[in-house]
Amino acid sequence: DQQVKQNSPSLSVQEGRISILNCDYTNSMFDYFLWYKKYPAEGPTFLISISSIKDKNEDGRFTVFLNKSAKHLSLHIVPSQPGDSAVYFCAASESSNTGKLIFGQGTTLQVKP
Amino acid sequence: KAGVTQTPRYLIKTRGQQVTLSCSPISGHRSVSWYQQTPGQGLQFLFEYFSETQRNKGNFPGRFSGRQFSNSRSEMNVSTLELGDSALYLCASSLFGGEATNEKLFFGSGTQLSVL
Repeated sequence: DQQVKQNSPSLSVQEGRISILNCDYTNSMFDYFLWYKKYPAEGPTFLISISSIKDKNEDGRFTVFLNKSAKHLSLHIVPSQPGDSAVYFCAASESSNTGKLIFGQGTTLQVKP
Repeated sequence: KAGVTQTPRYLIKTRGQQVTLSCSPISGHRSVSWYQQTPGQGLQFLFEYFSETQRNKGNFPGRFSGRQFSNSRSEMNVSTLELGDSALYLCASSLFGGEATNEKLFFGSGTQLSVL
């Protein structure tokens, strides 16, 4: 039973355009959501997070949107840069104070120069 | 500040053996979590320790165990290795567990375990 799903295994965009990565979840108890980026042979690195009491959070080029009624969140990267090419993981937890995260399968983003 | 350090970086074992992986968290972090990453299952939570106590446990068999020491360093052990245990094992530390909220996990580079 996959509680966090990233239905697009891969995404390709042109440099300078917007990248939109999507994530769906099924567990209504999830309270805290995060996005991580992962390069090969490295551990995931934190990008941005959002609490369930918010519907949007911005940090520079990265914005996360949360639609609780649809159990859907998305990560927008504007403008996309070649260095953004990596695997992006969506994660969720039932508390903002736990290291137990449920991860999606990941989306491989390729940003073409 | 030094990041999360995992040793060894690579490990090759044979079926039936046991293995111990080590993790040193970021200084000041008392929470350590372990994850298994495989191509088929993605990143799956193994367990979380805070102040030497297991706070959460994932859905893994009892062959997978862990512990945390008083200096917050953590080890995980897998006994009676199976071929399916081949994976990247990631350790992450954080300020979770104390009064901090809306925190994040800082991951190490992982230990790549191959079981032959």
